Amino acid sequence: GAGVSQSPSNKVTEKGKDVELRCDPISGHTALYWYRQSLGQGLEFLIYFQGNSAPDKSGLPSDRFSAERTGGSVSTLTIQRTQQEDSAVYLCASSSTYLMGHPRELFFGEGSRLTVL
Amino acid sequence: SQQGEEDPQALSIQEGENATMNCSYKTSINNLQWYRQNSGRGLVHLILIRSNEREKHSGRLRVTLDTSKKSSSLLITASRAADTASYFCATDDRGSTLGRLYFGRGTQLTVWP
Repeated sequence: GAGVSQSPSNKVTEKGKDVELRCDPISGHTALYWYRQSLGQGLEFLIYFQGNSAPDKSGLPSDRFSAERTGGSVSTLTIQRTQQEDSAVYLCASSSTYLMGHPRELFFGEGSRLTVL
Repeated sequence: SQQGEEDPQALSIQEGENATMNCSYKTSINNLQWYRQNSGRGLVHLILIRSNEREKHSGRLRVTLDTSKKSSSLLITASRAADTASYFCATDDRGSTLGRLYFGRGTQLTVWP
């Protein structure tokens, strides 16, 4: 597609339920990032993919969070047994291949707003 | 952490005035970027400055970088109501082989018509 696509755009769930958030990056972009943005806060890094592998998953807040990427394209962020503190906007971004020291622009999706009741 | 911090947290000005936002960071970088986020939307890249550059212009935007002070500023000249948004700086980490970009909490800019 022309841009980064995220779905669902809004998700309301009950505490304890599992949710899946999907990100479809720009075609050809090998790098994919997940960030979390709580109300009025900055972006909290969650995980970074280069191709299908995740060299940096240090930002995942707990073992309830997991992410995978298949075919070097679509990524899914899964939150198990959701808690109220998981409520936030989950942003996905993609970029061209990361080369150490070389700048690359991140292209963001519109985000998935998660509300846990 | 390497997280950048923007200052001020909020800025309110009249149309036509200039807006200046600052960003400070903690470790050595290869480059610094500024992004803009309209309410309820994703972030959009504005401008990138490399560590060996001191100033860069793009339209009404002017970015400066002082690596000795680990700080950057974003100046928007002749602001417009449409410039109302949150502005974030993002840095990499020269000492890391990982591809993470670190974002600050942002400056919320409001431009009144």
